[in-house]
Amino acid sequence: NAGVTQTPKFQVLKTGQSMTLQCAQDMNHEYMSWYRQDPGMGLRLIHYSVGAGITDQGEVPNGYNVSRSTTEDFPLRLLSAAPSQTSVYFCASSPPRPANTEAFFGQGTRLTVV
Amino acid sequence: AQKVTQAQTEISVVEKEDVTLDCVYETRDTTYYLFWYKQPPSGELVFLIRRNSFDEQNEISGRYSWNFQKSTSSFNFTITASQVVDSAVYFCALSEAKITGGGNKLTFGTGTQLKVEL
Repeated sequence: NAGVTQTPKFQVLKTGQSMTLQCAQDMNHEYMSWYRQDPGMGLRLIHYSVGAGITDQGEVPNGYNVSRSTTEDFPLRLLSAAPSQTSVYFCASSPPRPANTEAFFGQGTRLTVV
Repeated sequence: AQKVTQAQTEISVVEKEDVTLDCVYETRDTTYYLFWYKQPPSGELVFLIRRNSFDEQNEISGRYSWNFQKSTSSFNFTITASQVVDSAVYFCALSEAKITGGGNKLTFGTGTQLKVEL
């Protein structure tokens, strides 16, 4: 049972490069989300999705795009990386019912933008 | 807007001491959910507990206990007889109850780094 899988685990980008952080879950969860974790700031919600074809912005969406074409996958795209996007990124998913059960987190992706 | 405050940035204790991690939250919702997560040095996030706003019963799980008080908007976490393996960052989080189809828009506190030394 894989749960939530994030790839890659580590990535170094140059300013201006683009990349996609992958997130896949095998639990048939409708809800998926992306957070970033920065020192002293906890985790902050970037984007979330309540089901295939539906996405919405969280607290810190600027500089990131998402799409949800399948229930299993929720990739996060950085179109033009900036040093301010250096962070640890976590993907999470939650079961469809009941609402607000625990979120299952991936192992995280540590991104450095130089 | 929702807010979670973990005023204790770092706590150091000696093994076998009891330690309480504080969590204070703000929300205008009457229905909401509170969570605690543990982040060990390896970096993953480990779910510890969920509590809904209608359930103010305290909960105990082994050496862990949680005290939820709506009157003070607090959801504190106590570790009894701490052990070195408890060393981690602990996050308190708040979720609104309005999301349809399940799921959580979690608002996290900034975390408390707990160091348990021999």
